[in-house]
Amino acid sequence: NAGVMQNPRHLVRRRGQEARLRCSPMKGHSHVYWYRQLPEEGLKFMVYLQKENIIDESGMPKERFSAEFPKEGPSILRIQQVVRGDSAAYFCASSPGQGDSGNTIYFGEGSWLTVV
Amino acid sequence: KNEVEQSPQNLTAQEGEFITINCSYSVGISALHWLQQHPGGGIVSLFMLSSGKKKHGRLIATINIQEKHSSLHITASHPRDSAVYICAVLRSARQLTFGSGTQLTVLP
Repeated sequence: NAGVMQNPRHLVRRRGQEARLRCSPMKGHSHVYWYRQLPEEGLKFMVYLQKENIIDESGMPKERFSAEFPKEGPSILRIQQVVRGDSAAYFCASSPGQGDSGNTIYFGEGSWLTVV
Repeated sequence: KNEVEQSPQNLTAQEGEFITINCSYSVGISALHWLQQHPGGGIVSLFMLSSGKKKHGRLIATINIQEKHSSLHITASHPRDSAVYICAVLRSARQLTFGSGTQLTVLP
């Protein structure tokens, strides 16, 4: 049973380019979360999605950032027109969302974005 | 004031020592997670607690809901335990709020 899979692990983008980060949740998990860890800072919540729905995006920057979790395929975190301040580790996590283990959360290995 | 406070921020111990990391929170929660992060690496969930105490190998986690406090203990510490340990609280909206982490270094 594969864990939460994120790719790419490392991504380098020039300022102004787009970054797409992908996350495949654990099998059977319908809840996906994205978190950002800026250099020398703690983890911060960005967005919570269920299949085809954004449940809570209160942690997402208002511009340039978007997330989706389509019916088929992985969740995508998209950053348009990247700036140096977007350089960070982006972690995806998933949970079953239901039952006694609904609050159990599993993290991916993270995607490290570097903007040059 | 942060909603989740961890102490200490940095901790250096000798191999074999008993280690305690503390976490206090100021909001209502449905569960609390202890996470481990190695340098440049991913995050592993060590425990999820909503009450009482859990033990896994040399790791023990406790939570006191009334006091809004949790502790992570490591017995017989080993250099491979060196990592950042993060306390995170789960609120009703399924949003995790994280502490700033405790950098643990265990010297051989």
